[in-house]
Formats: sequence, C-alpha cells, structure tokens
Amino acid sequence: DIVMTQSPATLSVSPGERATLSCRASQSVSSNLAWYQQKRGQAPRLLIHDASTRATGIPARFSGSGSGTEFTLTISSLQSEDFAVYYCQQYDNWPPYTFGQGTKLEIK
Amino acid sequence: EVQLVETGGGLVQPGGSLRLSCAASGFTFNTYGMTWVRQAPGRGLDWVSIIDPSGTYTYYANSVKGRFTISRDNARNTLYLQMNSLRAEDTAIYYCAKKAGAGSSSSRWFDPWGQGTLVTVSS
Repeated sequence: DIVMTQSPATLSVSPGERATLSCRASQSVSSNLAWYQQKRGQAPRLLIHDASTRATGIPARFSGSGSGTEFTLTISSLQSEDFAVYYCQQYDNWPPYTFGQGTKLEIK
Repeated sequence: EVQLVETGGGLVQPGGSLRLSCAASGFTFNTYGMTWVRQAPGRGLDWVSIIDPSGTYTYYANSVKGRFTISRDNARNTLYLQMNSLRAEDTAIYYCAKKAGAGSSSSRWFDPWGQGTLVTVSS
C-alpha cells in the first residue's frame, strides 16, 4: 500500500500570510493526488485534483504543485475561513486509496 | 446540484450488524462509481470500499474485507454498506462520496461527499 505522509501535523499562521503544506508518498503516484479541506463538523471538500488543478469554485489563493512523491498545497493570503484540516489522497495505485494523516491549519 | 445523504448509523453492540444507505440525487447515478470513507473520532480519513457503476466490481480495505459488503440499487439511486461482525474500531463517521469521473474515467478522486452518518460500536 502507498503511505501518504503530511507535514507538519499542525501549522500556525496569521491571517493574510501564506501557508505551505506538504505531502509525501512512499512511492511515485505520478500526478494522481488530491487535496481536501475539512472544517470542524463538516464533510471533506475537494480543493485540488491531479496535483495542481483547482476544483470548481475553489478560490485562486489555493494552489497545488508537485509530482511523483513530493506535493505541496499553498494557500496565499489566508482568510479566516481557511483555518481547517487538510488531507492529501493518492488515487494512482488502488485499492486501497490512501490519505495522509492531515495537517491542521490554525490561527496564530 | 449533486446531493448525497447518508442514513442508517447508530449504536450497535460488538459483533452486531448495521446497514448504511446513501441516497443520491442531481446526477446520473448509474454512470458513476461510488465509495465509502470513514473517520474515527478525532482521527483522519480512512477509505473503506468502492463499487463500479453497474455494481459488478467491488473493492475493500483489508480492515473490513469479509465483514462489510458494498452494493447499490441503480433504480433507487441508492448506495449501501452492509456491516457485519462490527468491532469497536469500526466506530466512525461514515461518508459516501461520488467518484469524480463517469464510468472507467481516470478521474478517480472523490467529489462531492455526503454529510456522514455516525456508527458507534459499544456494549
């Protein structure tokens, strides 16, 4: 199974600043990677697919990059509604589909 | 608008059974694969199972293989998860989600997700 590792576990950033979240795969997943946002008490929401393509309706301040085993989600100029938990997921080699353990983005 | 509504969660004793349902609307249900993903309290996302559009092909996480069965009724636009021999570690919110691409599309991410239904396994 492909293991997805996210870092850091918790990231403290001030509103208006930039946040950079990392996701590493235990083997190459090409560009078959998605990012999801989950706010407290809510279902996950798709942000990015194919490593760098924003989902419909996702603001341009969210961007994804990377391929192979190293991926990054960048949120420029953090808004209050962006503080949440973020998960990466690989869909290259399945089953199983595998998720990272999540990065909690909190207000500094 | 695509909507997914899960029902059927609740409190069940270890060794018991439960069937979850996911009612789908707003898209052509019989052309999309569907999946279940769970989240234990305070934990991350854990993929459970997936089924192809026709219901012919099913796949499971090793942790639930032999105990859970995914199925679908395309006439009723409903996805199911039959859970048997439940264990305390199956306690979680169970989400259904739609595979993004129709048929055998390579669009294998999940979008959207339902609001989830809570399953608690405890004596």
